[in-house]
Order: sequence, then structure tokens, then C-alpha cells
Amino acid sequence: KAGVTQTPRYLIKTRGQQVTLSCSPISGHRSVSWYQQTPGQGLQFLFEYFSETQRNKGNFPGRFSGRQFSNSRSEMNVSTLELGDSALYLCASSLVGAENSPLHFGNGTRLTVT
Amino acid sequence: AQSVSQHNHHVILSEAASLELGCNYSYGGTVNLFWYVQYPGQHLQLLLKYFSGDPLVKGIKGFEAEFIKSKFSFNLRKPSVQWSDTAEYFCAVITNAGNMLTFGGGTRLMVKP
Repeated sequence: KAGVTQTPRYLIKTRGQQVTLSCSPISGHRSVSWYQQTPGQGLQFLFEYFSETQRNKGNFPGRFSGRQFSNSRSEMNVSTLELGDSALYLCASSLVGAENSPLHFGNGTRLTVT
Repeated sequence: AQSVSQHNHHVILSEAASLELGCNYSYGGTVNLFWYVQYPGQHLQLLLKYFSGDPLVKGIKGFEAEFIKSKFSFNLRKPSVQWSDTAEYFCAVITNAGNMLTFGGGTRLMVKP
């Protein structure tokens, strides 16, 4: 069974631009969560989607948004990029949601904002 | 909101030494608890989990953790570490009040051969 796939693996953007990251969950998994990982802040929850609905949202500004499609694939968008958005963005999928089934993580997308 | 604390940020051990990594959380209700591990250059993966039942849970690669509800703790242990255990370890908690998995700051373990 294929794991969680995130594309692209690396991105370099400049301040003010926007970016879209993609995540394909494990087949059959209906929940997709997004995390931002930085050396200073660790792993911070961005949002979780389940059956195309956002179930939870972390403490991030509205520039961070996401969506989930009917095939459970998910995208995350960051608009008006800031230098502080440079991070590893991790996607994780689970069968029915993080509260009942463990998360399976992808390798992440490393975003660098210059 | 819940929070998770991992008190040891960096741990250096020699092979065959015993390991205990601390994890404490703040939430008074029902919790599910996890330890994840991130080996160098690899993605995060589940080490073990506690949902209910026996508070002593065993995971992969000889790791175990004990849930002590009165202490709000879920410490990770391994009797004898190997060089291949060098990694970053994350404790995580999810409560019955929400669906947000909260991670601790992580502990970097280096095992010297």
C-alpha cells in the first residue's frame, strides 16, 4: 500500500507570492491533517479535513487555507508569503480521524521563502 | 487547550544504556496518547499508542511507554538502546474535546556506538 505522498518535495518562493501544496493520503483514509514543522516551534497543527469538511483549525492566520477533494486528496494554500512561513509542511492521513486512528505522515514539502 | 511538554530536548547515550524520555500533558479529561519517531532523513512514524486498557503499552523496536493518569505523564522507555535508535522522538496527545493532535517539542536522541 502506497504511503502518504506530498508534492512538491521542495519549493522556493519570494515574499508576497502564494503557494499550493498537495497531499495524497493512503488509499481508504478519509482524514487528512496538515502540520507546520520548524526548529523553533516544533510541530504545529494547521487543520484537519474529513470527508471534504474542515473539522479543526489551528492557530494560524487566514493566509493559510486548505481543502479536501472527494477522493480525499488535499491541498494547502498559503497566500502573501512571509519569511516566517519557511518550514517543513507535513501532511498526515488517518482512517477515521486522529482521535481514533494513528496518523501516517508524508515526507513533507520544504518551503523556503526568500 | 491541551499542551504537551517534553523536558529533555537533547539526550546523548551510549549503546546498551537504558532510556527514559519524559512526556507530560495538561488536560483533565480523557486522552489518547502517542509517541512518534523521526529517524534522520525519514518521515514521522508511529512508535506506540495508548487509547485505553493496560497503561503499559509496548511498541515497535523494543520501546514501551507507561501512562500514569495521576501524573499526567506518558514516558517512553527502552531498556537497552542501539545506535540505530538515534532519532527525534515526539510525544503527542489528543483529547476527547477535540480532534487536534498536539505534539510536544521533541527530544533529539543520539546514541554513541
